[in-house]
Amino acid sequence: KQEVTQIPAALSVPEGENLVLNCSFTDSAIYNLQWFRQDPGKGLTSLLLIQSSQREQTSGRLNASLDKSSGRSTLYIAASQPGDSATYLCAVIAQGGSEKLVFGKGTKLTVNP
Amino acid sequence: GAVVSQHPSRVICKSGTSVKIECRSLDFQATTMFWYRQFPKQSLMLMATSNEGSKATYEQGVEKDKFLINHASLTLSTLTVTSAHPEDSSFYICSATRRGTQYFGPGTRLLVL
Repeated sequence: KQEVTQIPAALSVPEGENLVLNCSFTDSAIYNLQWFRQDPGKGLTSLLLIQSSQREQTSGRLNASLDKSSGRSTLYIAASQPGDSATYLCAVIAQGGSEKLVFGKGTKLTVNP
Repeated sequence: GAVVSQHPSRVICKSGTSVKIECRSLDFQATTMFWYRQFPKQSLMLMATSNEGSKATYEQGVEKDKFLINHASLTLSTLTVTSAHPEDSSFYICSATRRGTQYFGPGTRLLVL
């Protein structure tokens, strides 16, 4: 059974700092991995999607990497801003055609002005 | 873009009543929709996969007679929580699949008194 773990559970940083969020998964046979953002009481916004054949994806100040063999992914946020404060969720889809997402518990990020 | 809506956004009901939550894909057709539940400080847990024109597929441990899912059209899936109890209080989020990508609704906060 696939399990996704995110470390740390919470992170507080001053504005402008670069930071890294970590995600690990137990079964390396994944189809893809996604990073989402969730604001309090809201739905999910997809940030980056990495296919199993890819090593990284970038969007603006965000960079996500994937090391499928070791079951790890990182989300790098450059020059953090207070507006980045949210919970960041990592999720994987297993190989085999299923579209089911398995989520981690998330990292709650607070960027202090 | 692909937009998914949910209605209502928030509902409070008495124990023993039934509550219906709607999930709509506004600008695309979705043969598959997913229903998730999220408890405070926990990850999203997949409850069931809703397939247009056929029965939903429930995850292990989810009571199909308690959580009724109807996917009557390519743009609408409904989740009915029957005989709701306080332990059913949670955040319910749906997603709809378009070209292999899941797009999430804004969620529905259910509080059962």
